[in-house]
Amino acid sequence: GESVGLHLPTLSVQEGDNSIINCAYSNSASDYFIWYKQESGKGPQFIIDIRSNMDKRQGQRVTVLLNKTVKHLSLQIAATQPGDSAVYFCAENTGGFKTIFGAGTRLFVKA
Amino acid sequence: KAGVTQTPRYLIKTRGQQVTLSCSPISGHRSVSWYQQTPGQGLQFLFEYFSETQRNKGNFPGRFSGRQFSNSRSEMNVSTLELGDSALYLCASSLRQGDSPLHFGNGTRLTVT
Repeated sequence: GESVGLHLPTLSVQEGDNSIINCAYSNSASDYFIWYKQESGKGPQFIIDIRSNMDKRQGQRVTVLLNKTVKHLSLQIAATQPGDSAVYFCAENTGGFKTIFGAGTRLFVKA
Repeated sequence: KAGVTQTPRYLIKTRGQQVTLSCSPISGHRSVSWYQQTPGQGLQFLFEYFSETQRNKGNFPGRFSGRQFSNSRSEMNVSTLELGDSALYLCASSLRQGDSPLHFGNGTRLTVT
């Protein structure tokens, strides 16, 4: 069945280091992928997205990589800051008017 | 532009009661989706509406229902509440489903006692 999963439930990094959060998906028909950040007490916040006709997209301090061959998605955060501490979700749109979410990875940034 | 607004922010109900949650999407967004978030199950898709029509529904019992109005505002209703319905209910709006991101509200925290 459809699933979007995360390899690591928690990730701890030193402030200033780069962070990499990974995600696996199983639906080869998915053509739109999104990363969200959720802080305590708030709803998920859009970070960056990528369509299946691309393999890399960059934003401000963030990069998303898509490897369709192995159905893998990753989010790279450069120069991680304490404000980046949150839960990160990958999500895929299956084309059926719904977006499904992975389990989430909690990122801890140590000062 | 104002974000997605959900009311109420917190709600406490007892088993057997029913509850209605409200969501106002970002102006111009016609697609509204609802999610249930719990520590054990993560973000689970409830349903999606576009132009007052439900286009998709998740694997939830019929006690969970929703609707969308002509101004794109949406409500969801849960009848005969159970303890397991305690969760954060999130509403999200988007320009389109499929190639534009969801914009979430901060949710309604429902506690069923």
